[in-house]
Amino acid sequence: AQSVTQLGSHVSVSEGALVLLRCNYSSSVPPYLFWYVQYPNQGLQLLLKYTSAATLVKGINGFEAEFKKSETSFHLTKPSAHMSDAAEYFCAVSLEYGNKLVFGAGTILRVKS
Amino acid sequence: GAGVSQSPSNKVTEKGKDVELRCDPISGHTALYWYRQSLGQGLEFLIYFQGNSAPDKSGLPSDRFSAERTGGSVSTLTIQRTQQEDSAVYLCASTLGGRVADTQYFGPGTRLTVL
Repeated sequence: AQSVTQLGSHVSVSEGALVLLRCNYSSSVPPYLFWYVQYPNQGLQLLLKYTSAATLVKGINGFEAEFKKSETSFHLTKPSAHMSDAAEYFCAVSLEYGNKLVFGAGTILRVKS
Repeated sequence: GAGVSQSPSNKVTEKGKDVELRCDPISGHTALYWYRQSLGQGLEFLIYFQGNSAPDKSGLPSDRFSAERTGGSVSTLTIQRTQQEDSAVYLCASTLGGRVADTQYFGPGTRLTVL
């Protein structure tokens, strides 16, 4: 069965510092991978997705992620954190023969001034 | 255009009562999904609709849970004889075509509290 592991339930960075949120997946077939962000008391918003085109995917708000098949990883990065980036981030995977998303446990990002 | 809407935004009920949660997808979206977000279990898939049919109900946790979709639009998730473990945020999402690479657009959720 496919699964997603997000390392670190909480990550804290200083404003202006690099953001790195880790995601590893397990799948026997090429997956589709997604990063979503959830602000307090709101629904999920798509940041970016990998659908087997370019391995480096650029998303909204300056985020990007790189698909590395050899490492089964899809880590999310942003060069310079902003206070408004504080939120919970979810990595998710779906397979060709399924339509549902399987989510990781989420990582809460805290940005310190 | 309007996004996915859900109602009510909050629902408090007593154990044993039935509840109905509503989802209005983005106009023209053929696929609709229900997920549940709880502290202990994270984000879990419940059910997927393509049009009015539900080809994947594998995430419904028990037969107390049911869902329907009418007119290829609005969906209702019904929980009968609610239990305290049903307390969670219920999220609805829709996609244009139901393909696995399609972006799922999420509503704000319904927070259900079972006393």
